[in-house]
Amino acid sequence: GENVEQHPSTLSVQEGDSAVIKCTYSDSASNYFPWYKQELGKRPQLIIDIRSNVGEKKDQRIAVTLNKTAKHFSLHITETQPEDSAVYFCAASKTGRRALTFGSGTRLQVQP
Amino acid sequence: DAGVTQSPTHLIKTRGQQVTLRCSPISGHKSVSWYQQVLGQGPQFIFQYYEKEERGRGNFPDRFSARQFPNYSSELNVNALLLGDSALYLCASSSGTGGGTVWNTEAFFGQGTRLTVV
Repeated sequence: GENVEQHPSTLSVQEGDSAVIKCTYSDSASNYFPWYKQELGKRPQLIIDIRSNVGEKKDQRIAVTLNKTAKHFSLHITETQPEDSAVYFCAASKTGRRALTFGSGTRLQVQP
Repeated sequence: DAGVTQSPTHLIKTRGQQVTLRCSPISGHKSVSWYQQVLGQGPQFIFQYYEKEERGRGNFPDRFSARQFPNYSSELNVNALLLGDSALYLCASSSGTGGGTVWNTEAFFGQGTRLTVV
């Protein structure tokens, strides 16, 4: 089955800096890659997603890039703010498989 | 517009007992998935239902079962609870499609049910 690895497990940045979280997946048939943000005690919230027919997608300070050849995708957050502090999860799924396979999460801490 | 709602929010059960968790999807969404999130880990897929039929099952024992009702709400049942079943149980709602090539639509999560087995 699909396996998603996520790095780093923790990331501490200064406010205003950029943060990058990387994920690799094993199943070359995977074609949908969402990113979720989960604050302490709250539900995972979809922040951005990308499908395999594009290489990059951007939404304000957040961007995701996808390299299908290398089977990895990354989340980029620019101009980080303290409210960006949370655990971020990447995930992968494919047409025909109804489940999301999640990475192990990255705890991002933005220092004021 | 209401999001995904789950009940109860917290639950404490004793080993060996049975538990039923409930989920109401976003209006218009026909697909419901269940995930188990152990503290410090990513969610693990348990079940997906679409149009009241099971469409996917994760690597969980037969003690776990689920169903979806005509109004698209869903229940997750866990029998013979073990200490290791303690986790946050998340329900995710998505529109899905009945066919074609696009199955992986956005999934929106409920706030979860925190189950503690003692």
